[in-house]
Amino acid sequence: EAQVTQNPRYLITVTGKKLTVTCSQNMNHEYMSWYRQDPGLGLRQIYYSMNVEVTDKGDVPEGYKVSRKEKRNFPLILESPSPNQTSLYFCASSLVAGVYNEQFFGPGTRLTVL
Amino acid sequence: AQTVTQSQPEMSVQEAETVTLSCTYDTSESNYYLFWYKQPPSRQMILVIRQEAYKQQNATENRFSVNFQKAAKSFSLKISDSQLGDTAMYFCAGSYNNNDMRFGAGTRLTVKP
Repeated sequence: EAQVTQNPRYLITVTGKKLTVTCSQNMNHEYMSWYRQDPGLGLRQIYYSMNVEVTDKGDVPEGYKVSRKEKRNFPLILESPSPNQTSLYFCASSLVAGVYNEQFFGPGTRLTVL
Repeated sequence: AQTVTQSQPEMSVQEAETVTLSCTYDTSESNYYLFWYKQPPSRQMILVIRQEAYKQQNATENRFSVNFQKAAKSFSLKISDSQLGDTAMYFCAGSYNNNDMRFGAGTRLTVKP
């Protein structure tokens, strides 16, 4: 089944404890992206990757890191999480970068930073 | 800067009735796509419908259709014959170039039996 998977689905952590949210797609998509969803703000892009080893900042990159060593994986790293990073996170992918391409979303990761 | 605005935080509709969700956007680009995504309580983001900016004909998908007014930069979603399963958060989004996808704040739709 073609899909985008994220792990974990739920995570409660404490301020300053490094964490990684994994994202994997099995559709051989070139483009991958991370969003955070907050009430009243919709989804905002954190980072995106046009292809392997190519990543760039979105609208809200502060406090986050990403890497794209393999085509299928695009982990989101929070080196020192803070309470304002409590949010719902989505990974998405599309066949190629471009305005025409539908993005497929993962199931979301609910992160709480205490 | 590209923006997407949804001015209706919440809406409700009776089952089998028709409801229209509003969305306006702003861009100076000539090539873009507009989307409506549905997010049910499961939180999964599901593409409902999309519209190519250069196409004048409004997109339709079964009970879902859009009213795309390019000059007014308006992109509303009409849901006909509303069903209980349509209860969800609906996001309007615009895709403007290789990497810039903007979402509105969302409209929470409740379909009442």
